[in-house]
Amino acid sequence: DTGVSQNPRHKITKRGQNVTFRCDPISEHNRLYWYRQTLGQGPEFLTYFQNEAQLEKSRLLSDRFSAERPKGSFSTLEIQRTEQGDSAMYLCASSGTASGNQPQHFGDGTRLSIL
Amino acid sequence: SQQGEEDPQALSIQEGENATMNCSYKTSINNLQWYRQNSGRGLVHLILIRSNEREKHSGRLRVTLDTSKKSSSLLITASRAADTASYFCATDDSNYQLIWGAGTKLIIKP
Repeated sequence: DTGVSQNPRHKITKRGQNVTFRCDPISEHNRLYWYRQTLGQGPEFLTYFQNEAQLEKSRLLSDRFSAERPKGSFSTLEIQRTEQGDSAMYLCASSGTASGNQPQHFGDGTRLSIL
Repeated sequence: SQQGEEDPQALSIQEGENATMNCSYKTSINNLQWYRQNSGRGLVHLILIRSNEREKHSGRLRVTLDTSKKSSSLLITASRAADTASYFCATDDSNYQLIWGAGTKLIIKP
């Protein structure tokens, strides 16, 4: 079990630039989640995939954010025209196929800093 | 939006003492989960308790659930320095989405 892997661990970029993060879930997991977490807060749900289908997207997510999971394996999260408020930790999690909520396995996140 | 609210926000105790954290939520749930997060790392699942369960144990962890009061507690017995972390409860508002509280920051003093 190699766990959930996220790359890069840290990203520093100037305001207005585009950034892309990658998540490799646990191989047998068909559910994949993206969260955003700011200091002192719990994770905030962004979006959810079951296999390659994006089934839910938070209403808080602007159209500058897009996520893909093209073959139902790894996923990417892209933020276009980054803003100061996008600075946060972006977490990816995966879980198994059983119905209902199952324990989620998290990566160590990508910390994004917007200059 | 955050459904779960952990209490206290921060807790500092001596090594060896027990630590109790509470979580309150607002709507009906199917299950409630507790996670731990070390600084700068991802979250680690600790325990899942279903709505028809009242208590669950895992090693030094004990979780209770009171659905009539919409609350849960996490007890860590015989705390260790390695237990220093933030602890979050998460409840489900659908078949797939978890709603998280802001967490309790636990510090174990040696």
